[in-house]
Amino acid sequence: DADVTQTPRNRITKTGKRIMLECSQTKGHDRMYWYRQDPGLGLRLIYYSFDVKDINKGEISDGYSVSRQAQAKFSLSLESAIPNQTALYFCATSDPGASYNEQFFGPGTRLTVL
Amino acid sequence: AQSVTQLGSHVSVSEGALVLLRCNYSSSVPPYLFWYVQYPNQGLQLLLKYTSAATLVKGINGFEAEFKKSETSFHLTKPSAHMSDAAEYFCAVRYTGNQFYFGTGTSLTVIP
Repeated sequence: DADVTQTPRNRITKTGKRIMLECSQTKGHDRMYWYRQDPGLGLRLIYYSFDVKDINKGEISDGYSVSRQAQAKFSLSLESAIPNQTALYFCATSDPGASYNEQFFGPGTRLTVL
Repeated sequence: AQSVTQLGSHVSVSEGALVLLRCNYSSSVPPYLFWYVQYPNQGLQLLLKYTSAATLVKGINGFEAEFKKSETSFHLTKPSAHMSDAAEYFCAVRYTGNQFYFGTGTSLTVIP
């Protein structure tokens, strides 16, 4: 089945470490997104990409970077993790050709920075 | 700034009671409107979307939402709550352009 997958599902790391969260999709969508979810704050957009050559900062990009390796893959990196980056991270995709361009989400990665 | 507001971060209802989750958007131009549901330890799943074909939109699992332009609202309802409805619900809007704006979420508890 077409799907959005994220790896790892859970990650515990230490302050200062570099980590990468990966997202893959089989939906064939051009657009991909990274969000973080914090209790009481909803979802906030970190980065988004409309195609392999297009990367855009979202609302809270500081401390993060991304790489769009292929249409199907979009990775999020924390160059030097800090405790306030502890959150639930979601990857999403959308199809610009769809009427309402709704987003489809992966299962999430729970990241803890000690 | 354009935004979306969900009133009530936590809502508790008895099993079989009406569910009402509130969402208001902040634009004079009706945006694209969506409700997503997040079950524990899962990603967000599309519950329903406003398509402009009708002001009352039916979604999955018996949920529906009514678009009211005069009130800039898109509240989510279900006539009779079931235990399996316990989840986090997010209202989302997309204005012209492509960025989604999510509300802060409402956690629904269903009391047996």
